[in-house]
Amino acid sequence: DTGVSQNPRHKITKRGQNVTFRCDPISEHNRLYWYRQTLGQGPEFLTYFQNEAQLEKSRLLSDRFSAERPKGSFSTLEIQRTEQGDSAMYLCASSPGGGAGNIQYFGAGTRLSVL
Amino acid sequence: GENVEQHPSTLSVQEGDSAVIKCTYSDSASNYFPWYKQELGKGPQLIIDIRSNVGEKKDQRIAVTLNKTAKHFSLHITETQPEDSAVYFCAGVRYDYKLSFGAGTTVTVRA
Repeated sequence: DTGVSQNPRHKITKRGQNVTFRCDPISEHNRLYWYRQTLGQGPEFLTYFQNEAQLEKSRLLSDRFSAERPKGSFSTLEIQRTEQGDSAMYLCASSPGGGAGNIQYFGAGTRLSVL
Repeated sequence: GENVEQHPSTLSVQEGDSAVIKCTYSDSASNYFPWYKQELGKGPQLIIDIRSNVGEKKDQRIAVTLNKTAKHFSLHITETQPEDSAVYFCAGVRYDYKLSFGAGTTVTVRA
């Protein structure tokens, strides 16, 4: 499978715990995006990487959230001191550069439940 | 930022009939408009897209139209089938990143 891969698929945690999600983009896609989707809503942009550089962060990304893409390949999204409001589906997408750079391909997401 | 509105929120059609979903956007700088289909427990899947220099695009039973002057675009699904049942999202992109999604349309195709 050469699509975007996200792990884990589901994560249940207690309030106050830290969680980390991983995203493996499509090979050779230099752009990687994180989105958050709550029930009944469309995905909302969180942050974006061009290779290893994090170029933009949404105001939705509080100080408890941090994302990395250390070698320009896979990315991790960490949430510290989780809150019940963090419960959502976290989606990762990747896109190639150049003229097709807009086209974003999504993974299946990581569903986070904070108890 | 870009604001995309989508209507209707739910749509029920008889198998074989057509389904139309409409979206409007606020930023005239938006230049790329993809449509995604999301099935339960899965990530959004790109089904068709259109760029601002094109007025219409068709791919088999799916077509998208764009009216830049009115800032709206629509998805048309003809000859609907039960497997078309899903949530559909429109989106707009102002620059070369950061999709702004509509709230989604839940389409149910009745057999």
